[in-house]
Amino acid sequence: NIVLTQSPATLSVTPGESVSLSCRASQSISTSIHWYQQKSNESPRLLIKYASQSISGIPSRFSGSGSGTDFTLSINRVESEDFSIYYCQQSYSSLYTFGAGTKLELK
Amino acid sequence: EVQLQESGPGLVKPSQSLSLTCSVTGYSITSNYWGWIRKFPGNKMEWMGYISYSGSTSYNPSLKSRISITRDTSKNQFFLQLNSVTTEDTATYYCASQTYYGSIVGYWGQGVMVTVSS
Repeated sequence: NIVLTQSPATLSVTPGESVSLSCRASQSISTSIHWYQQKSNESPRLLIKYASQSISGIPSRFSGSGSGTDFTLSINRVESEDFSIYYCQQSYSSLYTFGAGTKLELK
Repeated sequence: EVQLQESGPGLVKPSQSLSLTCSVTGYSITSNYWGWIRKFPGNKMEWMGYISYSGSTSYNPSLKSRISITRDTSKNQFFLQLNSVTTEDTATYYCASQTYYGSIVGYWGQGVMVTVSS
């Protein structure tokens, strides 16, 4: 199984700060990584596909980067609605796996 | 836009089977891939499996002996059956539309919390 390690587990920030969330794969997975946001009491939603490709309807402050084993989700100037849990998911292997999540919380 | 809605019992006894239904509107399940994902207490997410537009299935090997995903195309529904459940199967279960040959979860249902307890 491909293991995805997300860090940090929790990130405490104030609105207006810019942040980077990390996802590291246990082996090289090219750009087969996707990012999801899950707000409290809601279903997850897709933010970024294939490491850096944007999704229609997602604010432009969300961006993704990386390839191989190291990936980053960046949020430019966090807004109050962004406080959520963020998950990465790989599709390099047909056994799809998720990271444990990073919780973005209000400082 | 595609919409998915899970339904099924919220409480299942240990050793019994968990059965859930996902009703899909806005898109035919004879296209695309349709899967089940669960989120455990503590936030861990696990992909369980999917059924494709043709009816073929793919399962997480960790569940392979216990899981079955089937469909009823006339009702545009697909189903999850998980046998011999234990308390470790307590989770929120989501049905989902998986695009790009199943690689990406494009749409999620609202989720249904299932507790395994006697």
